[in-house]
Amino acid sequence: GIQVEQSPPDLILQEGANSTLRCNFSDSVNNLQWFHQNPWGQLINLFYIPSGTKQNGRLSATTVATERYSLLYISSSQTTDSGVYFCAGIPVDSNYQLIWGAGTKLIIKP
Amino acid sequence: GAVVSQHPSRVICKSGTSVKIECRSLDFQATTMFWYRQFPKQSLMLMATSNEGSKATYEQGVEKDKFLINHASLTLSTLTVTSAHPEDSSFYICSARQGNMNTEAFFGQGTRLTVV
Repeated sequence: GIQVEQSPPDLILQEGANSTLRCNFSDSVNNLQWFHQNPWGQLINLFYIPSGTKQNGRLSATTVATERYSLLYISSSQTTDSGVYFCAGIPVDSNYQLIWGAGTKLIIKP
Repeated sequence: GAVVSQHPSRVICKSGTSVKIECRSLDFQATTMFWYRQFPKQSLMLMATSNEGSKATYEQGVEKDKFLINHASLTLSTLTVTSAHPEDSSFYICSARQGNMNTEAFFGQGTRLTVV
């Protein structure tokens, strides 16, 4: 089956720093999403981005569908950005099940 | 975005009892909902796909008699953990999509189940 690789697995930054998280897919996906799981477990939708670039405040994402990867950019990090970031996608010709990466654990220090 | 509400957020129960978790789509109709389980420091694992008006589809290795799913309406799916044991303690999350199956998925707040 399709493999989803997220990097880096862990990231520790000072408040104010910028970061780039990466998500690679071993095969093509139709539907790609980025989520932030906060310390209470809530999954927050960040981007629905099958292709192209989107921005929302300090966050932006780019998906290059032809090369099967997506990037999540976080600028001017705040302590509230801490948590685990997941990417997930639905493979082409699948049963519409989301396939998940292992996540990137981000810690922002004050 | 669409709102999915999950209740309760936290529950502690005794071994041998059953626990029901509700998942509601508040501002849209969802013919299909999904139930996930998440172990500590791991990603989400799909347990089953809940279909309105029909039987749920369970993933391999998930006991259908242990995890009963009922999707009685277009806005409500329930997961009942029957005869709970300590090994059932986990974080359970539901999800729903608005529209067709290839659209954005939204998630409930999750339920942390502790079986003592």
